Amino acid sequence: DQQVKQNSPSLSVQEGRISILNCDYTNSMFDYFLWYKKYPAEGPTFLISISSIKDKNEDGRFTVFLNKSAKHLSLHIVPSQPGDSAVYFCAASVVAYKYIFGTGTRLKVLA
Amino acid sequence: DTGVSQDPRHKITKRGQNVTFRCDPISEHNRLYWYRQTLGQGPEFLTYFQNEAQLEKSRLLSDRFSAERPKGSFSTLEIQRTEQGDSAMYLCASSPIRGQFFGPGTRLTVL
Repeated sequence: DQQVKQNSPSLSVQEGRISILNCDYTNSMFDYFLWYKKYPAEGPTFLISISSIKDKNEDGRFTVFLNKSAKHLSLHIVPSQPGDSAVYFCAASVVAYKYIFGTGTRLKVLA
Repeated sequence: DTGVSQDPRHKITKRGQNVTFRCDPISEHNRLYWYRQTLGQGPEFLTYFQNEAQLEKSRLLSDRFSAERPKGSFSTLEIQRTEQGDSAMYLCASSPIRGQFFGPGTRLTVL
C-alpha cells in the first residue's frame, strides 16, 4: 500500500526552464510534507517543507504547492540548473516522527 | 558539528555475520531515526528515538535487528545473522521537532 506516490520515475528539463515534480498521497491525515534531493552515494538533503495549513511555500528557486482536496503536492524549480540533476523524494507525515517517502523522480537538467 | 554522520560508509559482509552501524546526529537534535533504502525505492522507516527512548519500531525490523541510543546522543543499529536481503543503504536522520536531516548512509552488501 503505497501511501505516497511519485508516478513519474524520471523527468528531463532544459536548463533555465521550470521543473515540476509531482507527488500524490492517499492518507488525508497527512499534515506535513517535505521534499528531499538525493545525489548518488549521499543521504537525502532537505529542500523545502509545507504544513497542511498552507497551500504554498517558497524558498529561493524552490516552491512547493499543496492541493489538499486533490491530495497532491508539487515542487517547482525555477530556473532549473544542471546542478539540480538528482533524485527528488517527497515525504509525508501524520505524526511528527514518522515519514512516508515516495519512490522518487530522477530529474535531469540538460545544459 | 555540521550534520549527521554515519560510520562506516560501506560494509561488505558474509551471510550469517553480525554488523553494527553508528550514527551521530546533529548535537541539539533529540530525535533520531533509522531508515532503509533499496534500489528504486524511497527510504523506509525502521525506528525512531526521542532522546534515549525507542518509541516506535517498524514491522520491517525483524528480531535480528536492534537499535540503541544509550545516552540520547549517538545511536547504533545492529543486524545479527545477516541475510542477502539485508543488502541496502541504511540511513540515519535527526530532527529538532519536525523535518529530518539525513546522514550520508551506510551501504551494506551481504555476500
